[in-house]
Amino acid sequence: DAKTTQPPSMDCAEGRAANLPCNHSTISGNEYVYWYRQIHSQGPQYIIHGLKNNETNEMASLIITEDRKSSTLILPHATLRDTAVYYCIAYPRIKAAGNKLTFGGGTRVLVKP
Amino acid sequence: GAVVSQHPSRVICKSGTSVKIECRSLDFQATTMFWYRQFPKKSLMLMATSNEGSKATYEQGVEKDKFLINHASLTLSTLTVTSAHPEDSSFYICSATPGTSGYNEQFFGPGTRLTVL
Repeated sequence: DAKTTQPPSMDCAEGRAANLPCNHSTISGNEYVYWYRQIHSQGPQYIIHGLKNNETNEMASLIITEDRKSSTLILPHATLRDTAVYYCIAYPRIKAAGNKLTFGGGTRVLVKP
Repeated sequence: GAVVSQHPSRVICKSGTSVKIECRSLDFQATTMFWYRQFPKKSLMLMATSNEGSKATYEQGVEKDKFLINHASLTLSTLTVTSAHPEDSSFYICSATPGTSGYNEQFFGPGTRLTVL
């Protein structure tokens, strides 16, 4: 799986948009960009995924650059409950033997009042 | 959405004892389950991949005789930490992939915090 690079931490203000960058310059054609988050002492929670088009769901928006080498997760109106570690992962969408989801360092996001 | 549970949520044991952690997929059948461990302020580290009815595949550096994994049914995988020692204290997380899906959907359990005294 392609390696991803994220800033180790960032702060954002409650009610403001949080923009979380991720670099994945070696992403393969069959790999999607997945975002998970982990709130303290809980299991990871799926947020969103995308291949090359921008995606939006009830939790967040995902903007992927045209060359697919980087992406940005947008939390439109951050709340205190969004404080968590956010992981960006490049991973094949189609299941195949040997696939395994591995986590990098992630970005520790602290939403401040 | 698909739900994965873990039991117990936290366990404290004495050094030298064995501890079993269960991972269940509650509303789907999981042909593949994964076990991770996480130390404080660190990322999740994959320990092993568990396939129903076959032996688990362990990541490099993970002792298979110490971390016994059994995936005897399509809804249950267990991780047994044998002869636990304080350095095994960690947060253990499982995840499961639905067998009927052709996609790499992975659903995570809430984690089990193990403390070895």
